[in-house]
Amino acid sequence: DTGVSQNPRHKITKRGQNVTFRCDPISEHNRLYWYRQTLGQGPEFLTYFQNEAQLEKSRLLSDRFSAERPKGSFSTLEIQRTEQGDSAMYLCASSQPNTGELFFGEGSRLTVL
Amino acid sequence: QKEVEQDPGPLSVPEGAIVSLNCTYSNSAFQYFMWYRQYSRKGPELLMYTYSSGNKEDGRFTAQVDKSSKYISLFIRDSQPSDSATYLCAMSANNAGNNRKLIWGLGTSLAVNP
Repeated sequence: DTGVSQNPRHKITKRGQNVTFRCDPISEHNRLYWYRQTLGQGPEFLTYFQNEAQLEKSRLLSDRFSAERPKGSFSTLEIQRTEQGDSAMYLCASSQPNTGELFFGEGSRLTVL
Repeated sequence: QKEVEQDPGPLSVPEGAIVSLNCTYSNSAFQYFMWYRQYSRKGPELLMYTYSSGNKEDGRFTAQVDKSSKYISLFIRDSQPSDSATYLCAMSANNAGNNRKLIWGLGTSLAVNP
């Protein structure tokens, strides 16, 4: 297992289109997180899964955002009706329970024109 | 006032220098402190993880926590060009597994010049 995998690495889309990102966590990790990061900022927490259950969503996550982890393995983050303000790096991370170490993927960069 | 303050830099040093990176915080309940390194266009990777006050050393890296001053530091000895990256501090008050409650600094951009 080579770590957390995210794709696509970069997505360019027009405003109003829908986009979906995929994250494959480290296989033995049951916790999966989505973060958003813009230039010059630290990661902002979006949502978190333990196995297939979505346990928490940030208030940053508007109705246009939805995340799933149907079988407790990979996860998808969908953004509907994209806006220019959605342009950011979307980071996925995984961890084992009760550890402080997050393992991040390389991120999916979204550019909304 | 932000919960975690971190000077964004940029910080530029010659190869071999000792680098000092710092964060201050306002929430006295923080107990878990982390330093992440982020290369350009990559995700962050954990460098150091400390609980409560004290020092922790790992190779050329030393993390210090001073809870009385609400101040944490990361020192890099014998800095190398490969250390050029953004260094993010992160901290939380809750148990180690509560990563969704991590509060992040903005990151300090470091350039080590050959």
